[in-house]
Amino acid sequence: DAGITQSPRHKVTETGTPVTLRCHQTENHRYMYWYRQDPGHGLRLIHYSYGVKDTDKGEVSDGYSVSRSKTEDFLLTLESATSSQTSVYFCAISEDREPGYTFGSGTRLTVV
Amino acid sequence: AQSVTQPDIHITVSEGASLELRCNYSYGATPYLFWYVQSPGQGLQLLLKYFSGDTLVQGIKGFEAEFKRSQSSFNLRKPSVHWSDAAEYFCAVGPSNDYKLSFGAGTTVTVRA
Repeated sequence: DAGITQSPRHKVTETGTPVTLRCHQTENHRYMYWYRQDPGHGLRLIHYSYGVKDTDKGEVSDGYSVSRSKTEDFLLTLESATSSQTSVYFCAISEDREPGYTFGSGTRLTVV
Repeated sequence: AQSVTQPDIHITVSEGASLELRCNYSYGATPYLFWYVQSPGQGLQLLLKYFSGDTLVQGIKGFEAEFKRSQSSFNLRKPSVHWSDAAEYFCAVGPSNDYKLSFGAGTTVTVRA
């Protein structure tokens, strides 16, 4: 299996608190992505990265920020969590010139 | 912009019966097409992909998919389902000049004995 891990696997947090989710890969892949999965919506792209310090917004980026200071780590931050951000978050990686993702196992986030 | 439609939210099939999951995409050129499977509580696993060439693509677990440009479709099939095929299936499309994928809403497959 590709080396991609997400942490934490589960988290419960209160409305208004900041939350950071981590995606770590050992594959040295250039591209990394954050998606959220909600019933009836499939997976929607939040942010993505094409390299260190090279990030951009996806279709549902409001309320989220990301950082990538090292090739292997891609952090997703909810600046002030809201109940609408309760979701399952997936990180994915892909190789240069090889479309198609390898996914992490996901983080289930509950905002109460 | 690309988009994906999976018309069937839920399909129930008997073990041993055939399965077909529909996927329609919207994209101006020939896209990259994928099918992923997600077992309960798990991440997504790639079943198969289409980039170019033969329009009938073989994947893992006995699945195949056929790209039909005229119908903008990429339907997934399996001749005989097993109870372990119960899962959620996602179709995804990506442009050939980019790596970002757009996903359909998913189809949940239930297998009855």
